[in-house]
Amino acid sequence: DAGITQSPRHKVTETGTPVTLRCHQTENHRYMYWYRQDPGHGLRLIHYSYGVKDTDKGEVSDGYSVSRSKTEDFLLTLESATSSQTSVYFCAISESGGTQYFGPGTRLLVL
Amino acid sequence: DQQVKQNSPSLSVQEGRISILNCDYTNSMFDYFLWYKKYPAEGPTFLISISSIKDKNEDGRFTVFLNKSAKHLSLHIVPSQPGDSAVYFCAAKILGSYQLTFGKGTKLSVIP
Repeated sequence: DAGITQSPRHKVTETGTPVTLRCHQTENHRYMYWYRQDPGHGLRLIHYSYGVKDTDKGEVSDGYSVSRSKTEDFLLTLESATSSQTSVYFCAISESGGTQYFGPGTRLLVL
Repeated sequence: DQQVKQNSPSLSVQEGRISILNCDYTNSMFDYFLWYKKYPAEGPTFLISISSIKDKNEDGRFTVFLNKSAKHLSLHIVPSQPGDSAVYFCAAKILGSYQLTFGKGTKLSVIP
């Protein structure tokens, strides 16, 4: 398995609070992605990065921001969490922008 | 507008028989296709891929078939094993892009 870790693995928070999820890779891959998985929706892209400090929006980016200051770390921030952001969040990495390899996921519950 | 469709939410197959998972796409610009397997409480795992210049790719018990004219691909698992029980996602990539578009998944249950 590709060296990808996500932290925290589980989080419970309250509506209106900021939340930051971290993705860390040891593979030195250029591309990193954040997805959310919800029942009936499959995997939907939130944001992605194609290099340090180079990021772009995905399909469901509203309410989320990202930052990548180092190759190995990609942070996803919910500025003010809402109940609709309760989901399972997956980070993925890719060396060439083709096949992606996924982390173990973070389960987020917003009360 | 769903560009990658997995029309069967679930599939049950007897152990030892063939499992066939289907995926349809609408965007003719897709040039690379992938299948992922996902167990509960784990991240998706890459299974097999196929380029649009091929019509078949095989890896052990797993074979992916691509029919470009029908915009259809399928994943065959032979023989099916109980450990294959998982959700399978089809994904596609446009030439020159580095994003994947995923289907909603098909839950495969292999019955011993």
